[in-house]
Amino acid sequence: GAGVSQSPSNKVTEKGKDVELRCDPISGHTALYWYRQSLGQGLEFLIYFQGNSAPDKSGLPSDRFSAERTGGSVSTLTIQRTQQEDSAVYLCASLAGTSTDTQYFGPGTRLTVL
Amino acid sequence: SQQGEEDPQALSIQEGENATMNCSYKTSINNLQWYRQNSGRGLVHLILIRSNEREKHSGRLRVTLDTSKKSSSLLITASRAADTASYFCATDSSGTYKYIFGTGTRLKVLA
Repeated sequence: GAGVSQSPSNKVTEKGKDVELRCDPISGHTALYWYRQSLGQGLEFLIYFQGNSAPDKSGLPSDRFSAERTGGSVSTLTIQRTQQEDSAVYLCASLAGTSTDTQYFGPGTRLTVL
Repeated sequence: SQQGEEDPQALSIQEGENATMNCSYKTSINNLQWYRQNSGRGLVHLILIRSNEREKHSGRLRVTLDTSKKSSSLLITASRAADTASYFCATDSSGTYKYIFGTGTRLKVLA
């Protein structure tokens, strides 16, 4: 019955290293979003998964970013060769399935690239 | 670019006063949602208003939507210190699932 969870809550890495961020959506929710929020800014859409359909990756800022969703549940966002400008809070949200549903957000992962 | 833009960017009021924040957007929408964010972490859904609705209430919250002006307002009445947070509007483009969030209004309620 828990909400959306994300791990780790904080991640500090060195420039050039790869990182993986995890999102566990609410059980039964078919849709999942990843967003990025830089300090003091709004949310930037990254990627959207809906059921078994091909994901909408149109928001990924570069080919260093990728995401997958295994078994229609857990999702992993991977950032390769991290850069300092990747530092941000990465938020995951799930919803039951339609565009009129409420998005339920996880607490986010704060990524700091040194 | 962001579809939604909130104003003001920041708002500081005394406890008990009303707080009004506005959101403007650019394209046709199915619905508009308002979210609240504490301390730069996860967002919490506050209220959803559909494109065929003009006003909606939830507790101390009142949302209006003017599709002709492509704008919405969120009113928080009788504000409390605990209302201190950032507030975001989110809009979907008609026929899509992609939500665009505005840059937010940072509300500070002084006790």
